Amino acid sequence: GNSVTQMEGPVTLSEEAFLTINCTYTATGYPSLFWYVQYPGEGLQLLLKATKADDKGSNKGFEATYRKETTSFHLEKGSVQVSDSAVYFCALSALYTGNQFYFGTGTSLTVIP
Amino acid sequence: KAGVTQTPRYLIKTRGQQVTLSCSPISGHRSVSWYQQTPGQGLQFLFEYFSETQRNKGNFPGRFSGRQFSNSRSEMNVSTLELGDSALYLCASSLDLRELFFGEGSRLTVL
Repeated sequence: GNSVTQMEGPVTLSEEAFLTINCTYTATGYPSLFWYVQYPGEGLQLLLKATKADDKGSNKGFEATYRKETTSFHLEKGSVQVSDSAVYFCALSALYTGNQFYFGTGTSLTVIP
Repeated sequence: KAGVTQTPRYLIKTRGQQVTLSCSPISGHRSVSWYQQTPGQGLQFLFEYFSETQRNKGNFPGRFSGRQFSNSRSEMNVSTLELGDSALYLCASSLDLRELFFGEGSRLTVL
C-alpha cells in the first residue's frame, strides 16, 4: 500500500540554523511527492513538489529531492527564519488512487530568534 | 483568483446531533476532496468528488457522507455526532489531479 513516514517533532531551531525534516515513503507505482506547510489557524499550503525520480522541488529557500533508490523526499533549508515556524507535512499521490493523497503525521517546527 | 472557501470556520455541536459543512472550490476546479485532521490520527482522507460523482472514499463509517453540486460546490455531513468526531475538516480542490489546494478548514467541536 501507500504510506508516508516523516520525522517526529517537535523541532526547535535557532534562527539561521540548517533544517532537515526526513520523509520516506512506500508506494505502488511512481508517486508524486509533496511538502505542504500549515501555519497556525490555517489550511495546508503547497510548499514544493516533485513528480519523478531525481527531480528537485524548491520554493522559498526550501528544497527536497525525490530519491527513488532510498524512497525518500527529505526537506531542507539552509537558514531558517522565525516566519518558517509551522507544521510541515510530507505527502504522496500515486497512480490509480484518484486524487487521494497520503500524508505523513506532520512535523512541528519552531524557530526562535 | 479566490481560494477554497469553507464554511463555517468554527462550530460546536453536542453528541447525537448532525452537522453539514460546506466547501466552495477554486473556480474551474471540478475535483473536491475532504480530509479529517486530528492530533492523534493526522490527516485522513474522507472522500473525493468529481463532477457530482464520488470517485474515491476513505475508511470512515457511513455516518460521514458528502455530495457535490453542479457548480462544483461540495458539502459533507456527519450524522449522530460522537466526541471523536471533533476535528479540523479540510476541503481541497484540484484542477488536474496533480495538486491539492486547501481551504482553511472547519473546526468542529463535539461536546
